[in-house]
Amino acid sequence: GENVEQHPSTLSVQEGDSAVIKCTYSDSASNYFPWYKQELGKRPQLIIDIRSNVGEKKDQRIAVTLNKTAKHFSLHITETQPEDSAVYFCAAKLGLAGGTSYGKLTFGQGTILTVHP
Amino acid sequence: GAVVSQHPSWVICKSGTSVKIECRSLDFQATTMFWYRQFPKQSLMLMATSNEGSKATYEQGVEKDKFLINHASLTLSTLTVTSAHPEDSSFYICSARDGTGGEQYFGPGTRLTVT
Repeated sequence: GENVEQHPSTLSVQEGDSAVIKCTYSDSASNYFPWYKQELGKRPQLIIDIRSNVGEKKDQRIAVTLNKTAKHFSLHITETQPEDSAVYFCAAKLGLAGGTSYGKLTFGQGTILTVHP
Repeated sequence: GAVVSQHPSWVICKSGTSVKIECRSLDFQATTMFWYRQFPKQSLMLMATSNEGSKATYEQGVEKDKFLINHASLTLSTLTVTSAHPEDSSFYICSARDGTGGEQYFGPGTRLTVT
């Protein structure tokens, strides 16, 4: 099955700096890669996603890049703010080529981001 | 946007009892619902996938007789934790996906504590 590795597990930055979180996946049948922000005790919230036919996507301070050949994708947050502090999860979703596992979302281990004012 | 609710938001039960958690899609029809479990400071782990009107597909290592899933309608799936034990204490989150196979919408989660 799919395996998603996420690094780093913790990331501490100063307000205004950039933060980068990286993920790798194992199954080439994965074709959708969302990123979630989760605050303590709450549901994961989708912040950005990218499909396998796109190499990069940006939404204001947040961007995601995808390298299909290397099977890795990254989240970039610029001009970080204290309210960006949370746990961030990457995920990979299997496409039709995943057979009976189609649509299954596999999460990375999570990154605790702390933005110091 | 699509809204998914869960009930209850938290529950405390005694060891050996059963607990039912409901997951509802409020403004769309969810052909597929997913149940995840999240232990403190860990990631979301998929427990099972349920499709409306059919049996759930459980992930390896998840006991189907202990975690009963019913997806009786396009807007409701339930997870029943039977004979709960303290090690079942966790944050249970459902998600729902409409028929287009796109984004999953997450419920707010249910905090289960077994004493």
